[in-house]
Amino acid sequence: NAGVTQTPKFQVLKTGQSMTLQCAQDMNHEYMSWYRQDPGMGLRLIHYSVGAGITDQGEVPNGYNVSRSTTEDFPLRLLSAAPSQTSVYFCASSYSGSPNEQYFGPGTRLTVT
Amino acid sequence: GENVEQHPSTLSVQEGDSAVIKCTYSDSASNYFPWYKQELGKGPQLIIDIRSNVGEKKDQRIAVTLNKTAKHFSLHITETQPEDSAVYFCAPRGTGGFKTIFGAGTRLFVKA
Repeated sequence: NAGVTQTPKFQVLKTGQSMTLQCAQDMNHEYMSWYRQDPGMGLRLIHYSVGAGITDQGEVPNGYNVSRSTTEDFPLRLLSAAPSQTSVYFCASSYSGSPNEQYFGPGTRLTVT
Repeated sequence: GENVEQHPSTLSVQEGDSAVIKCTYSDSASNYFPWYKQELGKGPQLIIDIRSNVGEKKDQRIAVTLNKTAKHFSLHITETQPEDSAVYFCAPRGTGGFKTIFGAGTRLFVKA
């Protein structure tokens, strides 16, 4: 099993550009989520999905869109990048029931200039 | 909303000493209490977790204790080693939902 994979590992965008961060898991997990990690602030939930076709907002959803057309994939779209979106982004997945352990991908470091 | 606080934010210990990190939460419905370890340049990884029907759980050098009445749980690492140096996060989760609020993290330094 590859676990949770994310691409790209690094990305530099100019303000106003759009892009999609890719996330895939091969563990047949129902739950998937996107977090951003900023220095000294832990991980903050952006969007999450409890299954294919179902998504919901987390703590900091503004400026981001998600969709979940398959169980395996959960892409995160930045519609019009802003410097405030400079961060490290982590995708995670877990089973819907016990255990509730979340498996994290390696992260994408995004810089918006 | 849910409030999660971790203390201390930074902890420096000598190799072989013990380390304790405390997590306080506000949601009394929380029933799952994990600790994650994040090494530099990597995603967080679960190291130990506990459910609300258990007061303590141990796995070799690490343990987690839970006080549901006071709404806090703690990570205990004994006989610390340099490879324990990392950032540790608590992430209590309530019933009936998926949203997980992470603590701000504790950076542990183990000096050889």
